[in-house]
Amino acid sequence: DGGITQSPKYLFRKEGQNVTLSCEQNLNHDAMYWYRQDPGQGLRLIYYSQIVNDFQKGDIAEGYSVSREKKESFPLTVTSAQKNPTAFYLCASRPLAGEQETQYFGPGTRLLVL
Amino acid sequence: AQSVTQPDIHITVSEGASLELRCNYSYGATPYLFWYVQSPGQGLQLLLKYFSGDTLVQGIKGFEAEFKRSQSSFNLRKPSVHWSDAAEYFCAVDLDYNTDKLIFGTGTRLQVFP
Repeated sequence: DGGITQSPKYLFRKEGQNVTLSCEQNLNHDAMYWYRQDPGQGLRLIYYSQIVNDFQKGDIAEGYSVSREKKESFPLTVTSAQKNPTAFYLCASRPLAGEQETQYFGPGTRLLVL
Repeated sequence: AQSVTQPDIHITVSEGASLELRCNYSYGATPYLFWYVQSPGQGLQLLLKYFSGDTLVQGIKGFEAEFKRSQSSFNLRKPSVHWSDAAEYFCAVDLDYNTDKLIFGTGTRLQVFP
């Protein structure tokens, strides 16, 4: 089945620790996105990438980092600089930007701080 | 600044009743418009989308939405709600056709009583 997978479903972070959230898609989509969701705030864009080896900051990139070494994969690292990381993280992908297409979302990863 | 407003945080309806969820956007031109639905702890599923043309668009699960340029609105409707429609609904706009960066509203939580 084609789709977007995110792992793990739940992730726990200790103080001062970096953690990495996985996002993989087998839809052959060019663009990939990371969003953060907090209660009552909707979704906010962290980073996005339109092609391999290139990515841009979104609205709330501070404390996060990404890489795009493969078309299928767009991992997000939550660094120790992110002081309030507890949230639901959603990954999305879509075909080449500029066409009348939509973003497709993965099932999400919930990050909790110990 | 561009924004998306969903004025109703929480709506409760009886099963079988009609439903209208409101969405207004602030932007000079006509953006691409979307409605997504999210069940608890899950990712987002696309209900419907508007790019151009007919201002009344049909989506999945019996939902429809009407784009009204004069009111900068894109309200979601369903004639008869089912208990399985209980979820959170997000309106989103795409202001940048090259990068497809979505701006989301804060969501409306729908509760359905039998």
